[in-house]
Amino acid sequence: ETGVTQTPRHLVMGMTNKKSLKCEQHLGHNAMYWYKQSAKKPLELMFVYNFKEQTENNSVPSRFSPECPNSSHLFLHLHTLQPEDSALYLCASSQERGVYYNEQFFGPGTRLTVL
Amino acid sequence: KNQVEQSPQSLIILEGKNCTLQCNYTVSPFSNLRWYKQDTGRGPVSLTIMTFSENTKSNGRYTATLDADTKQSSLHITASQLSDSASYICVVSPILTGGGNKLTFGTGTQLKVEL
Repeated sequence: ETGVTQTPRHLVMGMTNKKSLKCEQHLGHNAMYWYKQSAKKPLELMFVYNFKEQTENNSVPSRFSPECPNSSHLFLHLHTLQPEDSALYLCASSQERGVYYNEQFFGPGTRLTVL
Repeated sequence: KNQVEQSPQSLIILEGKNCTLQCNYTVSPFSNLRWYKQDTGRGPVSLTIMTFSENTKSNGRYTATLDADTKQSSLHITASQLSDSASYICVVSPILTGGGNKLTFGTGTQLKVEL
């Protein structure tokens, strides 16, 4: 266990559904991230939050909407997704201090399938 | 453009054998380099992390090396076990003025250990 949990672990949704992914970190970190991992591609950074403020939006379509109510919780709200959005969605957290700053700890991921 | 390239793309070895995975990067200047292990359907887990001034780091049967002059790193696995079957991802963190969270990920080497 890395101290980062994600729910649900698996999600199947239609293109007209609305769903949310949840991430929680128990490490006292102050930065949280959403990544998308598609087959045979490097992890793609989607969003970054530092101290609850969004500091990075990597040109992500508006059908993905992040929310960070506090430093320990991160959500990804999904609506009107496309089949090509099917992927493993990973949450990570890090502490932005020290020599090994930005060492990110990943959750187990949510395997999303869009029908 | 910052890039991280890994080789080989995939590798099959017999249990008990050693293997070496390669990582070449163009990220410059860089802060640190990490190797992650990712089991199928799971999030990446950190194996080693090295700053630019370190040239080797061990974690059990895993030993990472770094040559900052040639911008190359390797991950050596000794006496492989079936549980080593996973994707191994090289990740480089740049030095960004004012801090920052951007990492550059490789596509990974898929390792399979067989009996």
